Amino acid sequence: GQQLNQSPQSMFIQEGEDVSMNCTSSSIFNTWLWYKQDPGEGPVLLIALYKAGELTSNGRLTAQFGTTRKDSFLNISASIPSDVGIYFCAGQYFTNAGKSTFGDGTTLTVKP
Amino acid sequence: NAGVTQTPKFQVLKTGQSMTLQCAQDMNHNSMYWYRQDPGMGLRLIYYSASEGTTDKGEVPNGYNVSRLNKREFSLRLESAAPSQTSVYFCASSRVIGQPQHFGDGTRLSIL
Repeated sequence: GQQLNQSPQSMFIQEGEDVSMNCTSSSIFNTWLWYKQDPGEGPVLLIALYKAGELTSNGRLTAQFGTTRKDSFLNISASIPSDVGIYFCAGQYFTNAGKSTFGDGTTLTVKP
Repeated sequence: NAGVTQTPKFQVLKTGQSMTLQCAQDMNHNSMYWYRQDPGMGLRLIYYSASEGTTDKGEVPNGYNVSRLNKREFSLRLESAAPSQTSVYFCASSRVIGQPQHFGDGTRLSIL
């Protein structure tokens, strides 16, 4: 099956710093999704990417669909305490009936 | 704005007991999914229902059964619970298969 490698596994940063995380796949995807999960809650969609090379922003968040279709990046600028949580990438491909494959998550801790 | 509602939120079972987890969505979505999330891991797909009247196995279906009761409701059943099924279970829905998913807040299940 398709494998996703998400890194880093965890990050400890100071409030105000920028954050970068990424996902790489052993095979291509036609959709990349980024979710955030707060403690005790389900994941919430942050950004969806549908085209190779696409760069999309949502407030302080920016995500890119890699040109090889095997990777994606999420950047958070000027982090704030409420950015704390687990960030998941997910990839989808037509031949997998549109089902999502999830990375193992990046746990973000922001120190005030 | 309920979105995806899961019941119960917490449950403790003894090995061998049976249990049905309930999920309902009010967004008129066609596709519904069940995932499990174990510590330090991403979401793994158990079963999904692309549309009312259909169900298919995901990545980890063994030990589970599902029922798509109607367009709104998708239940997950453990016939004979095992300690390895201790996990947090998430239900999700999407407008159609392949679209970004909306998640419930999870059911935390412990099997002793």
